[in-house]
Amino acid sequence: DAGVTQSPTHLIKTRGQQVTLRCSPKSGHDTVSWYQQALGQGPQFIFQYYEEEERQRGNFPDRFSGHQFPNYSSELNVNALLLGDSALYLCASRGQGSEQYFGPGTRLTVT
Amino acid sequence: GEDVEQSLFLSVREGDSSVINCTYTDSSSTYLYWYKQEPGAGLQLLTYIFSNMDMKQDQRLTVLLNKKDKHLSLRIADTQTGDSAIYFCAERTGGYNKLIFGAGTRLAVHP
Repeated sequence: DAGVTQSPTHLIKTRGQQVTLRCSPKSGHDTVSWYQQALGQGPQFIFQYYEEEERQRGNFPDRFSGHQFPNYSSELNVNALLLGDSALYLCASRGQGSEQYFGPGTRLTVT
Repeated sequence: GEDVEQSLFLSVREGDSSVINCTYTDSSSTYLYWYKQEPGAGLQLLTYIFSNMDMKQDQRLTVLLNKKDKHLSLRIADTQTGDSAIYFCAERTGGYNKLIFGAGTRLAVHP
């Protein structure tokens, strides 16, 4: 079991550009959540996907959007990047149980 | 409201016990989690406790929950240098069970 995987590991973008991050959940998990972790802070909830629909969203602007595919994998898209979007983006997956597992994250740097 | 607070730093001697504390505000939280994050890595699930439990023990880890005071603690017995990391407390809350994280406690283990 590979656990939660994310790609790419690192990414450097310029202000105004768009970025897509990818996540594959742990085998048997159907719920995927995305979190943003700024340097020195705890992760902040962005949104959660279940059955290919966004079912809960945190306090993030519409520039942040996502998608979940039939195989439960997910993408996070961020448009019109700002310097403040630089962070570690974490994907978490959960099945029917209580445990929520995180991937290694994608480090996004916006210059 | 939703808020999780942790002390920012803890220093212990190798072989001693470490106790990391956390307070939360949402009395409807169902589960409370402890995650470990090493430099440049994602979050590793250490343990979790259901809100109707007082204590949970898992090898060197002991979680204590005081629901009346909304206080959670993680005790690590026989702390080793490999335990040096940032530890995050999180509460699972809301209709679809998003996680609210504290800012993390940096544990430093010295000889």
